[in-house]
Amino acid sequence: AQSVSQHNHHVILSEAASLELGCNYSYGGTVNLFWYVQYPGQHLQLLLKYFSGDPLVKGIKGFEAEFIKSKFSFNLRKPSVQWSDTAEYFCAVNARSSNTGKLIFGQGTTLQVKP
Amino acid sequence: KAGVTQTPRYLIKTRGQQVTLSCSPISGHRSVSWYQQTPGQGLQFLFEYFSETQRNKGNFPGRFSGRQFSNSRSEMNVSTLELGDSALYLCASSLGQSGEKLFFGSGTQLSVL
Repeated sequence: AQSVSQHNHHVILSEAASLELGCNYSYGGTVNLFWYVQYPGQHLQLLLKYFSGDPLVKGIKGFEAEFIKSKFSFNLRKPSVQWSDTAEYFCAVNARSSNTGKLIFGQGTTLQVKP
Repeated sequence: KAGVTQTPRYLIKTRGQQVTLSCSPISGHRSVSWYQQTPGQGLQFLFEYFSETQRNKGNFPGRFSGRQFSNSRSEMNVSTLELGDSALYLCASSLGQSGEKLFFGSGTQLSVL
């Protein structure tokens, strides 16, 4: 069965600090990988996704993630966080062979950025 | 373009009752998925409908059911409510192709007393 593990449940950073959120998945086949974000009071929205090609993908608001197939990882990074990045971040995966609506999510990481 | 709309926004029910939640997808989207979000379990997939047919189902008991109408609007129903059903229920829509991003609604917060 597919599963997603996010290593950090709660991260607190100061503005301008660098961010890396870990994500590992378990699945034997080819996958699509996603990072979603939920800002306070807002709905879940897509930050970035990996489908194929360059394993380093860039998303909105300066975020990027690197797919490392050998490590089953898809870590999210941002060189310099801002107070407005305070949110909950979810890593998600679905099997390439499956239909798009079924995502397996990690438990989420709450990021708090101190001004 | 209007986003995904979920109604009602909040619901309070008692154990044993049933509840119906509604989701209107983005115009043109044919896939609607439902997720349950709780602090302890995170986001868990309930089911997905595409062109009025259920094409994926998660590991939830049969008390959780859904349907999709010809205009792609979807409803989910939970019968014989239990305290553990208290959660935020999220609906997401897409065109229905592999690898596509999902557009989420704001959710229905269900409290079971």
